[in-house]
Amino acid sequence: DTEVTQTPKHLVMGMTNKKSLKCEQHMGHRAMYWYKQKAKKPPELMFVYSYEKLSINESVPSRFSPECPNSSLLNLHLHALQPEDSALYLCASSQRSPSSVSSGQPQHFGDGTRLSIL
Amino acid sequence: DAKTTQPTSMDCAEGRAANLPCNHSTISGNEYVYWYRQIHSQGPQYIIHGLKNNETNEMASLIITEDRKSSTLILPHATLRDTAVYYCIVRVALYGQNFVFGPGTRLSVLP
Repeated sequence: DTEVTQTPKHLVMGMTNKKSLKCEQHMGHRAMYWYKQKAKKPPELMFVYSYEKLSINESVPSRFSPECPNSSLLNLHLHALQPEDSALYLCASSQRSPSSVSSGQPQHFGDGTRLSIL
Repeated sequence: DAKTTQPTSMDCAEGRAANLPCNHSTISGNEYVYWYRQIHSQGPQYIIHGLKNNETNEMASLIITEDRKSSTLILPHATLRDTAVYYCIVRVALYGQNFVFGPGTRLSVLP
């Protein structure tokens, strides 16, 4: 069991669909992250939110749109995805913001949403 | 970013200690070493982290060399459930907690 909850666990969608991934944590963490993980590869950072504001976008295509409505929730809105976007999408949170140089606090990950694009 | 080098794969007998090495020769003085593992179909699980001193928790021990250029994660009594990919990560101080995952070590615990 993890303290970061992601829904849905699995999602199959067509290239013209619009869907959203949801992430929730109740640990009081103020930094939240989206990662993408392709099969047999390590996770790659997509977005970072610090105090509900987008602080880092790792040159992610605009068909992925993140949203942080409050300190406990993080969404990833999907639209017009491509088959190569099929992957495991991981959410994480941490206790300190990305701007805290001295922080040693680890990130805590959810179990991800496995996304398949038809 | 300080880069890490880990063996691609390792085997360990069940009940024995698993020692997973990581080289990070370009680590800076204020960078931490973190260890995560990922069991198939799950998200990465935090194991332990340290800066200079050796660390121990209920899951594992982390041994960091005096020059900080390498470290070893020790699982004292490996079980079949410890079979996973283990990632050694050195945190980039400038960007705070933006972890860069390398390929990791695939540990197979054998009965």
